[in-house]
Amino acid sequence: QVQLQQWGAGLLKPSETLSLTCAVYGGSFSDYFWSWIRQPPGKGLEWIGEIGHSGVANYNPSLKSRVTLSVDTSKSHFTLKLSSVTAADTAVYYCARPRGPGATAFDPWGQGTLVTVSS
Amino acid sequence: QSALTQPASVSGSPGQSITISCTGTSSDVGAYNYVSWYQQHPGKAPTLIIYNVNNRPSGVSNRFSGSKSGNTASLTISGLQAEDEADYCCSSYTDSSTLVFGTGTKVTVL
Repeated sequence: QVQLQQWGAGLLKPSETLSLTCAVYGGSFSDYFWSWIRQPPGKGLEWIGEIGHSGVANYNPSLKSRVTLSVDTSKSHFTLKLSSVTAADTAVYYCARPRGPGATAFDPWGQGTLVTVSS
Repeated sequence: QSALTQPASVSGSPGQSITISCTGTSSDVGAYNYVSWYQQHPGKAPTLIIYNVNNRPSGVSNRFSGSKSGNTASLTISGLQAEDEADYCCSSYTDSSTLVFGTGTKVTVL
């Protein structure tokens, strides 16, 4: 049973860099592309991007200029960095894995981390 | 990429069937059979209930079913139960090799 556990700072000031890490427990790390997804309060989900074990990444075009994804295969971790945050980046951030290699549906998900951007 | 369009809310009485639409474009929903649906209860992470348009993961009730016609996908919940009251969101793969989610629908059981 694969589990994703995520952590990172929950309160940021405008212009700072958001940093979240997701650890994968159980299952293969190298067979999947690992995604980050966010959900502003009271709003819908937004796909941020995905990264494979080799470091190849795909990004949401609307966030690409500010997003950096990275992986640490030795620890089965992957990390999201979002630069120059504003109040609009306030959201619950989730890490997630596709249900199978190459799949586009996510299962499982991490527990979510609320990140608030406020001065 | 624009979010897929869903109705903001849908309601039904216990035992009834309801359908939630998810409208995209010929670059996402209409182009691929890679539409997924998620159920989300308040304060919880989303849970996958349908993948690849009409497939249910193991353990998901057969009261949930999916379909697609052109640029619009649909989720039908039959035999509506109180526990089905939640938010539902669709997603689709796109021709830019990205993923796009829907605007989300709140289902209320009357």
